[in-house]
Amino acid sequence: NAGVTQTPKFRILKIGQSMTLQCTQDMNHNYMYWYRQDPGMGLKLIYYSVGAGITDKGEVPNGYNVSRSTTEDFPLRLELAAPSQTSVYFCASSYGVINEKLFFGSGTQLSVL
Amino acid sequence: AQKVTQAQTEISVVEKEDVTLDCVYETRDTTYYLFWHKQPPSGELVFLIRRNSFDEQNEISGRYSWNFQKSTSSFNFTITASQVVDSAVYFCALKGAQKLVFGQGTRLTINP
Repeated sequence: NAGVTQTPKFRILKIGQSMTLQCTQDMNHNYMYWYRQDPGMGLKLIYYSVGAGITDKGEVPNGYNVSRSTTEDFPLRLELAAPSQTSVYFCASSYGVINEKLFFGSGTQLSVL
Repeated sequence: AQKVTQAQTEISVVEKEDVTLDCVYETRDTTYYLFWHKQPPSGELVFLIRRNSFDEQNEISGRYSWNFQKSTSSFNFTITASQVVDSAVYFCALKGAQKLVFGQGTRLTINP
């Protein structure tokens, strides 16, 4: 059972570079989320999606973009990487109704230098 | 707006002591869910418990127990007879209509 799969696990970017963090789930979940966790801090919601073709901003969306062309995939795009985007990124999913627990990916540690 | 506050940034206790992690939340939703997650040193996030806003019954699972009080908007987590393996960062979270919002976490260190 794969669950939520995030790639890559680690990445170092130079300022101004772009990259896409991949997130795939095989549980047919409607809801998917991207969070970032800064060192010693809690998780902040970047973007979320309630189903294919539908996305919405979270608390800290600036500098990021998402798309949800399929139920399974929810990639997170960084267009012009900045040092402030150094963080650990977690993708999560849930079936959809309000009371469902979240399944998290293992995280992507991103450093922008 | 939704908000979760975990006022305790760090807690350090000696093994076998009981410890309570506080969580206070704010929401305008009448239906909502509260969660606790554990993040051990390895970094992954582990779901511990989910409670809905209509069920204030306290829950016990082994050494873990949760106290949900709507009157004070609190959802506290107690570990009884703590063990070194309980050392982790613990996150309280609130889910309203769509978004899941996390508190800043409490780093719990259990010393042998």
